[in-house]
Amino acid sequence: KAGVTQTPRYLIKTRGQQVTLSCSPISGHRSVSWYQQTPGQGLQFLFEYFSETQRNKGNFPGRFSGRQFSNSRSEMNVSTLELGDSALYLCASSLAIGDTQYFGPGTRLTVL
Amino acid sequence: EDQVTQSPEALRLQEGESSSLNCSYTVSGLRGLFWYRQDPGKGPEFLFTLYSAGEEKEKERLKATLTKKESFLHITAPKPEDSATYLCAVQARNTDKLIFGTGTRLQVFP
Repeated sequence: KAGVTQTPRYLIKTRGQQVTLSCSPISGHRSVSWYQQTPGQGLQFLFEYFSETQRNKGNFPGRFSGRQFSNSRSEMNVSTLELGDSALYLCASSLAIGDTQYFGPGTRLTVL
Repeated sequence: EDQVTQSPEALRLQEGESSSLNCSYTVSGLRGLFWYRQDPGKGPEFLFTLYSAGEEKEKERLKATLTKKESFLHITAPKPEDSATYLCAVQARNTDKLIFGTGTRLQVFP
């Protein structure tokens, strides 16, 4: 069974640009969550989606947004990039809310 | 406020030297406590889920235990391939949100 896939794996952007990251969950999984990982803050929750609905949102500015499609695939978007947005962005999927989350390899975003 | 604290931050062990990692937590209504392993540049790899105090789970050289306030990850006779960062996370009821600790970086040398 294929795991969680994330594309692209690496991105380099400049300040002020916007970026879209993609996540394909494990087949059959309907819940997708996103996390930001930085050396200083560790893993921080961004948002979670289930059946195309955002169920919960972390303490991030409105520049961070996401969505989920009918096939459970998810995207997150960051607008007006700042240097501090440089991080590893991780997507995790689970069968349903509260089930074990399985993580993808992440997208490494560097903002110059 | 829901919170997870892991200790120690870093741990160096000689191959075969057993030890334990600690995860202390406060959460309003625990749904589950999770242990993950993360290698550099990779996503966290799921190890265990614990749901209630007194529960224990084992996998190879690893054993996880849970009380009402903390969890331990015991590593018996570790090998160099066990070197990684071990992350603890809690999940409150009615949410998928995981609250992570900052992890314990384990190095096992021959």
